[in-house]
Amino acid sequence: QVQLVQSGPEVKKPGASLKISCKASGYSFTAYPMHWVRQAPGHGLEWMGLINPIGGSTNFAQKFEGRVTMTRDTSTSTVYMEVSGLTSDDTAVYFCLRDVVDWGQGTMVTVSS
Amino acid sequence: DIVMTQTPLSLSVTPGQPASISCKSSQSLLHSDGKTYLSWYLQRAGQPPQRLIYEVSNRFAGVPDRFRGSGSGTDFTLRISRVEAEDVGVYYCMQSVELPLTFGGGTKVEIK
Repeated sequence: QVQLVQSGPEVKKPGASLKISCKASGYSFTAYPMHWVRQAPGHGLEWMGLINPIGGSTNFAQKFEGRVTMTRDTSTSTVYMEVSGLTSDDTAVYFCLRDVVDWGQGTMVTVSS
Repeated sequence: DIVMTQTPLSLSVTPGQPASISCKSSQSLLHSDGKTYLSWYLQRAGQPPQRLIYEVSNRFAGVPDRFRGSGSGTDFTLRISRVEAEDVGVYYCMQSVELPLTFGGGTKVEIK
């Protein structure tokens, strides 16, 4: 079955960068785009962007352009998302989402001085 | 960006009774390929969202048939025919007809 296993929780200081991973299994990794969605505490879901694993092309929500990078490693079926210039507003749970179907378990990110 | 508006914000339902959630989009979700890209998810407390419905009315494998999606264009509805205790959580609609993907604000379903 499809599994998306994300890296563990992170605590970062304002201004720092963050890189989280999502390791996929149970399907053809290059066949589906991988999205990243975040959820601030007590809030709804916010789409951040996607990466197409077959070629590595990306597409970002306007508010994250220039601050978010998405990469992939086809040899390990893993996608990565890096967020720079963290602020307290980036405190959230970050999810990877295969196509519009399967969700990772989430990675809690806390940004605090 | 397409704005997704869900109502109501919350719902308290007696077990065995029906429930209905509305989701309206600011523009049509009908793609040129003839499909309408509206999905529904349930997020239980402390869990990631889980898939329920895709393309308006198709249940994902393993989703009980008490969940029914309907609608077209810009107006969509998720109905639960007989609510059970395990149906508690927040329901989200999402459009994927164009980027950015956008979500409704969520509807919290509780059991009376």
